[in-house]
Formats: sequence, structure tokens, C-alpha cells
Amino acid sequence: AQKITQTQPGMFVQEKEAVTLDCTYDTSDQSYGLFWYKQPSSGEMIFLIYQGSYDEQNATEGRYSLNFQKARKSANLVISASQLGDSAMYFCAMRGPFLFFGTGTRLTVIP
Amino acid sequence: ETGVTQSPTHLIKTRGQQVTLRCSSQSGHNTVSWYQQALGQGPQFIFQYYREEENGRGNFPPRFSGLQFPNYSSELNVNALELDDSALYLCASSLGRGGASYNEQFFGPGTRLTVL
Repeated sequence: AQKITQTQPGMFVQEKEAVTLDCTYDTSDQSYGLFWYKQPSSGEMIFLIYQGSYDEQNATEGRYSLNFQKARKSANLVISASQLGDSAMYFCAMRGPFLFFGTGTRLTVIP
Repeated sequence: ETGVTQSPTHLIKTRGQQVTLRCSSQSGHNTVSWYQQALGQGPQFIFQYYREEENGRGNFPPRFSGLQFPNYSSELNVNALELDDSALYLCASSLGRGGASYNEQFFGPGTRLTVL
């Protein structure tokens, strides 16, 4: 069975600072993938970054990077140089026949 | 390239009624997945359609049903609505069904359903 755990219901970060959003996972599959999505108040899920279990390098997409520690089963999202527009819900998800989501972290960027 | 669209945006129904939600997949995509997101929760998988056939189902009762059409658009039908069905319903389209291969899912803006 798959499990995604996001232990931070809410996080605050000062504008222009970096922030790390935590995600741990559990799966019996050898091949899997992990996603991070951003959900603004409008509701749409916006894809941010993807990490495959066999990828040797940590994924990066602009200001987003994924700190993937396979042995610890963690896939933390790092947002550098936070902007006010980064305020949103952030979801970690695991790829299978469908996406299995965590409960999310609400990030608030303070001016 | 047209993105994923959903209709209606908002909907209010009463308990016991039936509702149909619609989703148009992104151009070229043949797979549609539906998710239910209750307030304060992450999305939960309802079912997926691949080339007009159901290709997997989550832990939802049979009163949640769906269809996919030849143009790969999809409908989600919910019968005998209950108060707990109040949620944001998200549709996501992708190319190819899930499994071992990576296939990014593109989400629509969702339909917010309120059951009174």
C-alpha cells in the first residue's frame, strides 16, 4: 500500500527566503515517482516537479528543487527566493495507476 | 493547445439528487482521471478512464459512475447525493494509462459541489 505523509499543516516564510516543505512516503514498489503540486485558492492543481525513484540526480525546476533521500523515504520540496505568489497549498503525491496525495501544507509568504 | 476544462464551475444540489460533472481533456490525451477533494484534504482518486473503458477505481461506492466519450471527454455522475459528497471534483488528463511509465497528469480547475 502507498502512503504519503506531510507533517506540516502550515508554514510561514519571509519573502525572498528559502523554505522546505516535508514529504515522507512508503511503498513496496521498486519503481515509483513522486510529484509536487501547487494548489492556489482557485483550486487548480499546478505541476511543479517530478522525481523518479531511479533518477540519480535530485530534480530541479527553476526555483523548485526536490531533496530526494531514498533511504529515508523522503522527498522534500525546496522553494528558493520565495515570492508572494507562492502562497498556496502544496501537495506531495506518488505515481501509481493513479496519483496518491498527501494532506498538503499551506504555505504563506510574508512580505 | 487547449488545456483541461471542467463544467460547471460551481454547483449546489440537495441531498438525494443526482449530478453530472463534465471534463474535456487536453488535446491529444486519451486518459481521464477523476479526484474528489474534501475541504482541508488532499485529492482522492475516484476512477480513471482510458480509451472509453474504466481503468481503475478508488474506494468510492457504485453511485459514483463515469463515462468517457470517443473524443476522450468524460463525465462523472453521482446519484443519491449525500452531504459528505460536498467537495471540489478535479479532473486530470494524461497520455496513456498509469502504471510503470511516467505520464504527467494535467488538472482542470475543478467543479465545486455543495450538497445541502
